[in-house]
Amino acid sequence: QVQLVESGGGLVKPGGSLRLSCAASEFTFSNYYMSWIRQAPGKGLEWLSYISSSGSTRQYADSVKGRFTITRDNAKNSLYLQMNSLRAEDTAVYYCARGQNYDFWSGTLESWGQGTLVTVSS
Amino acid sequence: DIQMTQSPSSLSASVGDRVTITCRASQSISSYLNWYQQEPGKAPKLLIYAASILQSGVPSRFSGSGSGTDFTLTISSLQPEDFATYYCQQSYNTHLLTFGGGTKVEIK
Repeated sequence: QVQLVESGGGLVKPGGSLRLSCAASEFTFSNYYMSWIRQAPGKGLEWLSYISSSGSTRQYADSVKGRFTITRDNAKNSLYLQMNSLRAEDTAVYYCARGQNYDFWSGTLESWGQGTLVTVSS
Repeated sequence: DIQMTQSPSSLSASVGDRVTITCRASQSISSYLNWYQQEPGKAPKLLIYAASILQSGVPSRFSGSGSGTDFTLTISSLQPEDFATYYCQQSYNTHLLTFGGGTKVEIK
């Protein structure tokens, strides 16, 4: 069974930075596209970014473009989200998710981690 | 961006009821529509993909239909474990995924 475990969340001041991690197991991580999605308290889901299986292709939502960077380390079975210039509106639970298809991005998010909470406040 | 609009935003129903949730896209998305279930305090879970294909392990009381701009998620006989929030998501534009605002299914 696919396992995804996020970590790295916490309290950070506006303008600060944070790096989230997502540890993957029980599947061949290097064969799947991965994505980050967030959910502000009491709100809906917002897709943020995806990265190809090799790491060569990345896409971002406009709301985080230029501030957030998605990366992966296939040797460590890990996905990352570097978040810079954080704002109060970035406060949310951040989820990592695996794409549905082998080495292909269909945009269907088949497996999700349990999430990590990021709070941006002074 | 493709906007996804769900209705209703919330509903109250009883165990055994038939429940229907609708999702409308701002442009045609063919059948590139997914449904997720999110129980309180938990991560979303994929229920249906490609508008009507049930994800493995999902009970058959869930079904999806539609194409183009209008889609429906139906729960044929609501069970206690189905009280949750449901989200639609378009995967037509794979470079910019968008979700509906969610439908919260509550106990009547």
